[in-house]
Amino acid sequence: QQQVKQSPQSLIVQKGGIPIINCAYENTAFDYFPWYQQFPGKGPALLIAIRPDVSEKKEGRFTISFNKSAKQFSLHIMDSQPGDSATYFCAASAYAGGTSYGKLTFGQGTILTVHP
Amino acid sequence: DGGITQSPKYLFRKEGQNVTLSCEQNLNHDAMYWYRQDPGQGLRLIYYSQIVNDFQKGDIAEGYSVSREKKESFPLTVTSAQKNPTAFYLCASRSQTSGGGYTFGSGTRLTVV
Repeated sequence: QQQVKQSPQSLIVQKGGIPIINCAYENTAFDYFPWYQQFPGKGPALLIAIRPDVSEKKEGRFTISFNKSAKQFSLHIMDSQPGDSATYFCAASAYAGGTSYGKLTFGQGTILTVHP
Repeated sequence: DGGITQSPKYLFRKEGQNVTLSCEQNLNHDAMYWYRQDPGQGLRLIYYSQIVNDFQKGDIAEGYSVSREKKESFPLTVTSAQKNPTAFYLCASRSQTSGGGYTFGSGTRLTVV
């Protein structure tokens, strides 16, 4: 129930395309859903995050869509560029009570390649 | 600037040796985490600590040890009991009260020679 399932494992698009990465979860207590971007040899960096009180959040070319009833969320990258080529991880965590938040559960990652 | 510093960036270990990876943060975060990443793989949790002088095992703690004597520091020791230690190790931290995402360090690549 703690798993976050991410798909696809890898994705190749042409420059300007709109790659979509999907994640699904079972734990209905999850209330924070971030996406991370990781370049080779670097640590992951927080890209964008959403809480379940909204169905969509946009930051620049990156959009998270959230479907609470289906327990799914996805990352869309508009007008993708070769510089977006990286590994993307979704994650989720639940409020743990008091003033404490639980640890993040990560998806398995998606390797995105954007061809020029 | 606030952040997480991992050192060294590259580390080579002979079989049978223990090595310690450093992780220091100046973000005043309560919680700190250690992850292992193998090529083309996801992030696997080794140990985490939510307060000073307390830590819990993650999914793959065998062959590893940690300490949390200061809020700012969470060193990871890879012991000789870890059978396949060659990997990329990532440290992260988080404020337990804000509920936000993790801040990751830049990683240490450990190679057994």
